[in-house]
Amino acid sequence: GESVGLHLPTLSVQEGDNSIINCAYSNSASDYFIWYKQESGKGPQFIIDIRSNMDKRQGQRVTVLLNKTVKHLSLQIAATQPGDSAVYFCAERLQGSNYKLTFGKGTLLTVNP
Amino acid sequence: SAVISQKPSRDICQRGTSLTIQCQVDSQVTMMFWYRQQPGQSLTLIATANQGSEATYESGFVIDKFPISRPNLTFSTLTVSNMSPEDSSIYLCSVEEAQNTQYFGPGTRLTVL
Repeated sequence: GESVGLHLPTLSVQEGDNSIINCAYSNSASDYFIWYKQESGKGPQFIIDIRSNMDKRQGQRVTVLLNKTVKHLSLQIAATQPGDSAVYFCAERLQGSNYKLTFGKGTLLTVNP
Repeated sequence: SAVISQKPSRDICQRGTSLTIQCQVDSQVTMMFWYRQQPGQSLTLIATANQGSEATYESGFVIDKFPISRPNLTFSTLTVSNMSPEDSSIYLCSVEEAQNTQYFGPGTRLTVL
């Protein structure tokens, strides 16, 4: 089956609210995870990454949480803005896979003004 | 991060023809990758472009259909050969930088009639 997947294909939030995008992965041997944002007509843009020896990492307005016990990854966006509207992908790298990334299906985030 | 450009940004082609997509990076990188993103779908790795050697293809992708060149550390091409409408996709190149993070180009949007 697919190694990486997203529970919610779409997410609609109000401007100013916090957003949480979830991702499940099935391979416990994955050691590196990345979140990407893809706006319409553009290539994926790196947001934040986390390694398997961490459970939390913060960036500017974004936080990634990794729960290795249940193989779950989440991206939290604080004070969501209309410019955050995009498709968000999680990607995992299997340890020793020579840098190959496996991408999840993606979640469409829509921010309502 | 590296600045990545792709040419063409989009094209409309007739079935049976071939299209070569170029990927240019503004710095020398060891690892370059080619992905396909079918309409409304996630990203699938086609191959890893190795400088000085043949590309490494993923399952389901073959060199005859997607020949790749990597003449130096800043440039790669992907050719989509003998195209059919099923090849209509976004084709993306990416590069791996320090700390194993991959950054993507803007993509080439291909429509095959």
